[in-house]
Amino acid sequence: EAQVTQNPRYLITVTGKKLTVTCSQNMNHEYMSWYRQDPGLGLRQIYYSMNVEVTDKGDVPEGYKVSRKEKRNFPLILESPSPNQTSLYFCASSLSGTEFFGPGTRLTVL
Amino acid sequence: EDQVTQSPEALRLQEGESSSLNCSYTVSGLRGLFWYRQDPGKGPEFLFTLYSAGEEKEKERLKATLTKKESFLHITAPKPEDSATYLCAVGRGSQGNLIFGKGTKLSVKP
Repeated sequence: EAQVTQNPRYLITVTGKKLTVTCSQNMNHEYMSWYRQDPGLGLRQIYYSMNVEVTDKGDVPEGYKVSRKEKRNFPLILESPSPNQTSLYFCASSLSGTEFFGPGTRLTVL
Repeated sequence: EDQVTQSPEALRLQEGESSSLNCSYTVSGLRGLFWYRQDPGKGPEFLFTLYSAGEEKEKERLKATLTKKESFLHITAPKPEDSATYLCAVGRGSQGNLIFGKGTKLSVKP
């Protein structure tokens, strides 16, 4: 089954404790991206990647890092999480501009 | 500044009562307009992509149309299972990424 998977699905952590949210797709898509979704603000793009080793900032990149060492994987790294990064995070991969989303990761930073 | 605005924010319909959702946009170098459906706690689910003014696409009770400045999602004879948040997004020319509107929350009562 063609899909985008994210892990973990739920995470509660504390301020400053580094964490990684993994994202993997099995559709051989070149383009992948990360979004956060907050009430009243909608979906906002954090980072995107056009291909392996090619990444670029989206609209809200501060406090996040990404890497793209393999085509199928695009992890999101929070090196020092803060409470304002509490949000619902979605990974997506794209074919011809149409993005397909993962199930989401709900992150709470205390 | 690139911008996507959806209206109304929320819409309540009776089963069978047809209506339309609006998505207006300003973007340099439009690379497609996308409609998604999102159920609570889940990732957005792709519905349609439109590329040029005058284009229309249909799927079951949904029909999407596109002009140079806006798109409409027409819902004909909706059913309670059509209740969801509908998101509109535009693809931006040189950056290859999407900008989303804040969505329209649709409730269909039996």
